[in-house]
Amino acid sequence: DAGVIQSPRHEVTEMGQEVTLRCKPISGHNSLFWYRQTMMRGLELLIYFNNNVPIDDSGMPEDRFSAKMPNASFSTLKIQPSEPRDSAVYFCAARGIGNTIYFGEGSWLTVV
Amino acid sequence: ELKVEQNPLFLSMQEGKNYTIYCNYSTTSDRLYWYRQDPGKSLESLFVLLSNGAVKQEGRLMASLDTKARLSTLHITAAVHDLSATYFCAAQRGSQGNLIFGKGTKLSVKP
Repeated sequence: DAGVIQSPRHEVTEMGQEVTLRCKPISGHNSLFWYRQTMMRGLELLIYFNNNVPIDDSGMPEDRFSAKMPNASFSTLKIQPSEPRDSAVYFCAARGIGNTIYFGEGSWLTVV
Repeated sequence: ELKVEQNPLFLSMQEGKNYTIYCNYSTTSDRLYWYRQDPGKSLESLFVLLSNGAVKQEGRLMASLDTKARLSTLHITAAVHDLSATYFCAAQRGSQGNLIFGKGTKLSVKP
């Protein structure tokens, strides 16, 4: 939805390379979420932050995945090294006014 | 652990007909969300239901919440082709918690 900006929108990379996905949430949010969507597993929560502090990272698949939120305006999700099974759509979402959680357009990742 | 189940997972409807999508969740949830997703697109927020008995309507879609039964419904009235999409429900624990999604209902409305 409007306001949550993700980049890159599409990325194709080779196995073993580092991938960094970026998210700029809507202003005034207090919670930020990273989700992954695949056909097999649906929408899975990877990690979420409240007031820039990681609250639950139990969904992060393994140590190859890491996420940071250095300030209220920016978050990154990094995969190092990437593997073909990481291919998915990665969504960033933020909680705005009125309890609504808005999703960005997603980053479509293909690892070959 | 909070789990969310939707049914049906696939729904083929004729234009003009009515139907209901069901969303059950396993433990107490503070809020229930409905989203729409078109192929290759992001999730669009439809409704946020906050309390028992809450009912919200937008056009041909109406959502309701029964917290005692741990059930939310999305009712479609007089379906039109433009409603074809995948609809997700999601339950939230706590006012600042994360969303747990159902598997989605893929709706296809045929002339």
